[in-house]
Amino acid sequence: DAKTTQPPSMDCAEGRAANLPCNHSTISGNEYVYWYRQIHSQGPQYIIHGLKNNETNEMASLIITEDRKSSTLILPHATLRDTAVYYCIVRVALQTGANSKLTFGKGITLSVRP
Amino acid sequence: DAGITQSPRHKVTETGTPVTLRCHQTENHRYMYWYRQDPGHGLRLIHYSYGVKDTDKGEVSDGYSVSRSKTEDFLLTLESATSSQTSVYFCAISDGRNQPQHFGDGTRLSIL
Repeated sequence: DAKTTQPPSMDCAEGRAANLPCNHSTISGNEYVYWYRQIHSQGPQYIIHGLKNNETNEMASLIITEDRKSSTLILPHATLRDTAVYYCIVRVALQTGANSKLTFGKGITLSVRP
Repeated sequence: DAGITQSPRHKVTETGTPVTLRCHQTENHRYMYWYRQDPGHGLRLIHYSYGVKDTDKGEVSDGYSVSRSKTEDFLLTLESATSSQTSVYFCAISDGRNQPQHFGDGTRLSIL
């Protein structure tokens, strides 16, 4: 699976959009971009994933550049409860086999300030 | 939230004792996973299952065994616990090999 690069930390004001960047310059055509987050002492929480097109769900939006070498997770209206470590993960789409493990890096720590 | 229950949530035990952690799901998902999380290492896959009685090793499987006799339960056993197995253990489930994995709340295991 391709490696990802995220800045170690960032902060944003409550109520504002949080834009979390991720670089994955070695991504292959059959690799998805996944975003998870982990709030202290809890299990990782799935947020969103995509292949080529931008995606949106009730939690966030995922913007993938046309060359797919980077992406941005957008939390449209950050709240204090969004303070967490956010992981950008690239994972190959399997056609056969069963091992589809997720490789978590160090992630980016988002701090939402009042 | 996905219906995943890990038990126990906390356990302290001594070196050399056997330990079994349980992951129970109510989603009827085919795939189940055990990860451990340690400072400086992130989450690492221990074992996974792709169906009842179908399991395979992950990247850090030494010292661990698993069993899955029912769709809903995936057990992780430390046959003879060592201090290096002190960690937070997470179970995850998914309903397809390329589908998102959903995690439980973890078991914090301390081996003295």
